[in-house]
Amino acid sequence: DSGVTQTPKHLITATGQRVTLRCSPRSGDLSVYWYQQSLDQGLQFLIQYYNGEERAKGNILERFSAQQFPDLHSELNLSSLELGDSALYFCASNRGRGETQYFGPGTRLLVL
Amino acid sequence: AQTVTQSQPEMSVQEAETVTLSCTYDTSESDYYLFWYKQPPSRQMILVIRQEAYKQQNATENRFSVNFQKAAKSFSLKISDSQLGDAAMYFCAYRTRALRETSGSRLTFGEGTQLTVNP
Repeated sequence: DSGVTQTPKHLITATGQRVTLRCSPRSGDLSVYWYQQSLDQGLQFLIQYYNGEERAKGNILERFSAQQFPDLHSELNLSSLELGDSALYFCASNRGRGETQYFGPGTRLLVL
Repeated sequence: AQTVTQSQPEMSVQEAETVTLSCTYDTSESDYYLFWYKQPPSRQMILVIRQEAYKQQNATENRFSVNFQKAAKSFSLKISDSQLGDAAMYFCAYRTRALRETSGSRLTFGEGTQLTVNP
């Protein structure tokens, strides 16, 4: 158990819908990272937050957004969902830039 | 931009034997971290080992060790005395040590190597 929690574990929804994925980092960790793992794109970095502020963006679609709250948990919002958004979404956290990232168990999203 | 390449999509090893997974990377930076993560069928991403580029000594964690060749930009993982529980997808990953506004501390992953352990 890495100490990073993600909810829900599984999510099934329809095209055009909107979903919210939630991540709680390890106690004391200020940075949260979101990654997408899909069959065709592999593991890709989406976005990073540090202590409530956006730190870096990767290949995140405009239909996707994220935020980190004062209690340091983070949410990834996916809207106007398409079939190709079906993937495993990971959250990771660490204390600072020199630290190893620890991954949550992931949220498996299936868009039908 | 940094890239990470794992040229072996699949590997297999007999239980108790040794196997080496290959990884190469491309970067213009001199200071960075390299990682091997393991993803078993549960899909959880588990850190196996970490190497700092400024350290010449190869990292070791119990049965897992790396061969870090900085000039060749190579970072292979050796698993000794392979066990059935080692069967998983293994990902090589790179992260810069520099703090940049745009790149942050993201991990860049290779495509993965699926390791099968035969009893």
